[in-house]
Amino acid sequence: QKEVEQDPGPLSVPEGAIVSLNCTYSNSAFQYFMWYRQYSRKGPELLMYTYSSGNKEDGRFTAQVDKSSKYISLFIRDSQPSDSATYLCAMSGKDTGRRALTFGSGTRLQVQP
Amino acid sequence: EAGVAQSPRYKIIEKRQSVAFWCNPISGHATLYWYQQILGQGPKLLIQFQNNGVVDDSQLPKDRFSAERLKGVDSTLKIQPAKLEDSAVYLCASSLASGTGELFFGEGSRLTVL
Repeated sequence: QKEVEQDPGPLSVPEGAIVSLNCTYSNSAFQYFMWYRQYSRKGPELLMYTYSSGNKEDGRFTAQVDKSSKYISLFIRDSQPSDSATYLCAMSGKDTGRRALTFGSGTRLQVQP
Repeated sequence: EAGVAQSPRYKIIEKRQSVAFWCNPISGHATLYWYQQILGQGPKLLIQFQNNGVVDDSQLPKDRFSAERLKGVDSTLKIQPAKLEDSAVYLCASSLASGTGELFFGEGSRLTVL
């Protein structure tokens, strides 16, 4: 079993739709949860960051963490064609000396105009 | 602020040949990472440096991969000899030693092994 599981998609939605992206994980030591966005032939860039459980909102993006279920989500409201990319969930533990992120496999999102 | 720089962006080699990738992290970032991203998969950590010391290289195939970070700044990742399954994008990332642990990635070096 992988430490982080993510539905690879692809996910195709019409412009303006609400998108839900999800990951599950098995390592209870994970404390920091992030979502990265990766455009084709580019490196990943940080989209959202959450520490421990709870919700965080930033514009059209909302990240949720449910540590009891080991489940994290990213919601995109009013999706735009420019949101078309691969979305990677990532997480790490508390030990600051080992902050290397463990990534999911990524979900490819296509927003149709 | 300049981002993480990587070179070359693309490299095509024959199997059993060698290749080297270079990374220059963001100024002041003590921690440097090399990740391997195979097509359709998420990045997988190969090695993590803190300044010029290795923190984690447990997933580095040491029989063919090597990495160094001289003077705690630039880093080089080498593959010798390359195998077909090494075809991937090699991503370099850096972060502050403390803080949230946000990683800043370069654009990657795409390797094709024929």
